Amino acid sequence: AQSVTQPDIHITVSEGASLELRCNYSYGATPYLFWYVQSPGQGLQLLLKYFSGDTLVQGIKGFEAEFKRSQSSFNLRKPSVHWSDAAEYFCAVGGDTGNQFYFGTGTSLTVIP
Amino acid sequence: GAVVSQHPSRVICKSGTSVKIECRSLDFQATTMFWYRQFPKQSLMLMATSNEGSKATYEQGVEKDKFLINHASLTLSTLTVTSAHPEDSSFYICSAVVGGHGYTFGSGTRLTVV
Repeated sequence: AQSVTQPDIHITVSEGASLELRCNYSYGATPYLFWYVQSPGQGLQLLLKYFSGDTLVQGIKGFEAEFKRSQSSFNLRKPSVHWSDAAEYFCAVGGDTGNQFYFGTGTSLTVIP
Repeated sequence: GAVVSQHPSRVICKSGTSVKIECRSLDFQATTMFWYRQFPKQSLMLMATSNEGSKATYEQGVEKDKFLINHASLTLSTLTVTSAHPEDSSFYICSAVVGGHGYTFGSGTRLTVV
């Protein structure tokens, strides 16, 4: 069965600290992996995506993610968090074009000064 | 490129009335669109898949007579919440398939039924 697990419901980090958000997936075919960010009351914004090739993917706002097939993981990282990064982060997996996404339950990020 | 415009962004309606949400692809043709619903503090749940020119495919548990989806053209898909009730209050968002393996999301609609 297809699924995405984000083990951390809520994470609090200090501004300037590093960040890692975990994502594990289960998918029966070649996975296409995504990270989205959602600010309060806003829509989804794509941070980055992995389809193939280099397993370390660079995204917007200084985020990166690493695909590890052996661990079925696609963790999101940022070396230095900014207060504006406080938001909800969703990991998602999809298949070929036309297939739906499967979203994780999200990780809420709080950034403290 | 590959922008999906979703309107309205927020809507408040009275219980028993119907509300239509539009998702329009601005610079590409969207053969397939997905409609999601998000309850507070929860993830997005797929409601239905709409394909241009054919009937939508609804996920289990989604009432097709309540959530009417129309995808009559390659650039427009609509979701109509009929006879809305307070429990239908939620965040609705669409996504469209773009080109090879791309997906793009609308900005979402916050529906409040009073």
